[in-house]
Amino acid sequence: SQQGEEDPQALSIQEGENATMNCSYKTSINNLQWYRQNSGRGLVHLILIRSNEREKHSGRLRVTLDTSKKSSSLLITASRAADTASYFCATPLQGGSEKLVFGKGTKLTVNP
Amino acid sequence: DVKVTQSSRYLVKRTGEKVFLECVQDMDHENMFWYRQDPGLGLRLIYFSYDVKMKEKGDIPEGYSVSREKKERFSLILESASTNQTSMYLCASSFSGPLMTDTQYFGPGTRLTVL
Repeated sequence: SQQGEEDPQALSIQEGENATMNCSYKTSINNLQWYRQNSGRGLVHLILIRSNEREKHSGRLRVTLDTSKKSSSLLITASRAADTASYFCATPLQGGSEKLVFGKGTKLTVNP
Repeated sequence: DVKVTQSSRYLVKRTGEKVFLECVQDMDHENMFWYRQDPGLGLRLIYFSYDVKMKEKGDIPEGYSVSREKKERFSLILESASTNQTSMYLCASSFSGPLMTDTQYFGPGTRLTVL
């Protein structure tokens, strides 16, 4: 299976702390994306990093990509209670398809 | 902003009923997707459409069919609902082109309960 695997499955932190989530995948990719899902809602695209990039920032989000290890990490700095959600990594299905393969997600809880 | 809407947020149906889930996107996207999401199993692709009247089976198409008569609308049909189809259903769309990044835009989801 090409499916990405997020680690940890669940993470609980205090407001103001940083949260780090990891994603590993199995095949060569040209990009990797991170999505957020609030409880009972649809997924929202957060950030995309291309295979020729090592790091990317967007506001309080920092994403890294290590293609040699087939892994990515998502760092949320100075977390807020509103960051409580599940976070998923997604990679294109091998072969240039428009389809994405999603991991099972990390459930982040930020306690006020 | 891209907007993807789904016809219902919550739906309760009886076993054996025919169920229609509708999805509409307003960004002229070529690609549309139907997923189901279950605890511990993540998102699983049911069907994918890359153009009007064109469709492709995903990982779990059994018990489902789809219809795409217009570019903006993608319908998921449960021909005869069963209790194991109780799930969260998510629709998504994406742009297809030379600069495509595969980014998908999701609707709010429909939580379907089959009794």
